[in-house]
Amino acid sequence: GAVVSQHPSWVICKSGTSVKIECRSLDFQATTMFWYRQFPKQSLMLMATSNEGSKATYEQGVEKDKFLINHASLTLSTLTVTSAHPEDSSFYICSASRSSNQPQHFGDGTRLSIL
Amino acid sequence: LAKTTQPISMDSYEGQEVNITCSHNNIATNDYITWYQQFPSQGPRFIIQGYKTKVTNEVASLFIPADRKSSTLSLPRVSLSDTAVYYCLVGPLDTGRRALTFGSGTRLQVQP
Repeated sequence: GAVVSQHPSWVICKSGTSVKIECRSLDFQATTMFWYRQFPKQSLMLMATSNEGSKATYEQGVEKDKFLINHASLTLSTLTVTSAHPEDSSFYICSASRSSNQPQHFGDGTRLSIL
Repeated sequence: LAKTTQPISMDSYEGQEVNITCSHNNIATNDYITWYQQFPSQGPRFIIQGYKTKVTNEVASLFIPADRKSSTLSLPRVSLSDTAVYYCLVGPLDTGRRALTFGSGTRLQVQP
């Protein structure tokens, strides 16, 4: 069964709205989680590394004030897309691992559509 | 992480064996090879991981030659439900704590 859960699975909202996406590790604690974005027919691109109890690390070109990440507990990381615009429409995916030497597990993604 | 090269797409028919090869000429001594499968509108799913020779599980086999500069994912008797994108990743075993770098992947289309 799934070990990483994402919610919601899809969101449609108006331009200017802020949207929060949750990523949960279901039966393990994850001090580190990762957020990726995937555009149609393209590969996954890392956006940021979410660290429990500290600030997230963002990849170059990703606006930290635009994509707010909070990792307040060992099983939950949230990504908030603030003042979303149509160009933010994408597939957002999170991942986490049970331990450093085990493969990462991915959530089923969140399809975000901004009208 | 070592750069990987895979075919962009492959076509097959139900019941056939599919072999997807990944080139990773710059693989490091401590790097492992990991394959993920991604269906449309879903997150990637771990398939198999190996370091050398051959690894087999209930889903696939992974063949790695002695020089480890390439690897082949083998899917026996594919079905329509195996239509997906397959990603080859190369990196240290402790990638659980590292972000993964995905290449373009191989889009496998299985036809009846």
